[in-house]
Amino acid sequence: DTGVSQDPRHKITKRGQNVTFRCDPISEHNRLYWYRQTLGQGPEFLTYFQNEAQLEKSRLLSDRFSAERPKGSFSTLEIQRTEQGDSAMYLCASSTKGAMGGEQFFGPGTRLTVL
Amino acid sequence: AQSVSQHNHHVILSEAASLELGCNYSYGGTVNLFWYVQYPGQHLQLLLKYFSGDPLVKGIKGFEAEFIKSKFSFNLRKPSVQWSDTAEYFCAEEGGSYIPTFGRGTSLIVHP
Repeated sequence: DTGVSQDPRHKITKRGQNVTFRCDPISEHNRLYWYRQTLGQGPEFLTYFQNEAQLEKSRLLSDRFSAERPKGSFSTLEIQRTEQGDSAMYLCASSTKGAMGGEQFFGPGTRLTVL
Repeated sequence: AQSVSQHNHHVILSEAASLELGCNYSYGGTVNLFWYVQYPGQHLQLLLKYFSGDPLVKGIKGFEAEFIKSKFSFNLRKPSVQWSDTAEYFCAEEGGSYIPTFGRGTSLIVHP
């Protein structure tokens, strides 16, 4: 399968712990996006990368959230000192270089539960 | 801040009924518009998109959407739904940046 993959698919953690999620985009895609989705809502944009450059991070939900894409390939999203309100589905998507409006290809998501 | 409104949160139809899902966006400039679909147990995937040109856009599986700039709308339509169209439908817009804004989604259930 050459689609977007995310790992893990499910994560249960205790409040206060740190968690890290990984996203592997489609190999030729240079843009990578992270979203959060809660029940009954659409995906909420968090941040995005073009190659290894993080071009927008002001919408990360707090300074406990950070993302990296060190070599312009896979990306990680870290949440430090998790809170119960962080429980959600975290989605990754990738798209090709080009004009705005490229189709985004989504991964299956990582479902986070904070106890 | 840009926003997308999907007015119907839950829609229940019988097979062969016609479908129209409403979507209104807020961005006043040049905008790209999308409908994504999430079938049960599957990833979000693109249904159709509008960038420019013909305001009537055709997508996969017989879906179409019409861009009406004066109404800031991009409604999704299908003349005859099937049981397999049961899914969550999301409207999204991208205006002025590479940052998409999604609506909250419409859950469609089609009874056989």
